[in-house]
Amino acid sequence: AQSVTQLGSHVSVSEGALVLLRCNYSSSVPPYLFWYVQYPNQGLQLLLKYTTGATLVKGINGFEAEFKKSETSFHLTKPSAHMSDAAEYFCAAPTGSARQLTFGSGTQLTVLP
Amino acid sequence: EAQVTQNPRYLITVTGKKLTVTCSQNMNHEYMSWYRQDPGLGLRQIYYSMNVEVTDKGDVPEGYKVSRKEKRNFPLILESPSPNQTSLYFCASSLSTSLNEQYFGPGTRLTVT
Repeated sequence: AQSVTQLGSHVSVSEGALVLLRCNYSSSVPPYLFWYVQYPNQGLQLLLKYTTGATLVKGINGFEAEFKKSETSFHLTKPSAHMSDAAEYFCAAPTGSARQLTFGSGTQLTVLP
Repeated sequence: EAQVTQNPRYLITVTGKKLTVTCSQNMNHEYMSWYRQDPGLGLRQIYYSMNVEVTDKGDVPEGYKVSRKEKRNFPLILESPSPNQTSLYFCASSLSTSLNEQYFGPGTRLTVT
């Protein structure tokens, strides 16, 4: 069974609008969750990471994500989209042994002027 | 500058011709990993290494080999490439396990004809 599931392979928002990218995880994963971003023709870079403690995690570039155990969700949000946010976003979770990282299938974010 | 480097960045080859993609990191990281990225499938782990001389299969290891003779290098070897190995490949490293932030190389786009 897949550890993380991203809903929506493509999301389009207008500049200035709310960004919401969805990620659900299986209850078997350890309490560590990541969001990575991939800008065109680049490798991935860490956006934010949840370990334990505060369930609202703030990342770079104004993004944040909330860990909701009851919903097994870790959705990524940003109040106001910028053109520079156009990229592909990946949710990821480690395996139980912490030896591997499993990525979701990715969500391509398009920001419309 | 802390970084993960990969070479070559682009490679076009023919079926059956052995090739090696190099990966090197200068952060003294113990954990290194190879992923392939295909549209709609996200990143899938090929092999990973927890330390020197310790390598393990990821989710899609068939047709690939790796070695970890030195801490900084983790080459990916395709002994007999086939067209289904046409993909975008990423090397990544992290401090010790998949619980830590992974730093990604810029990617190698491989085409096998």
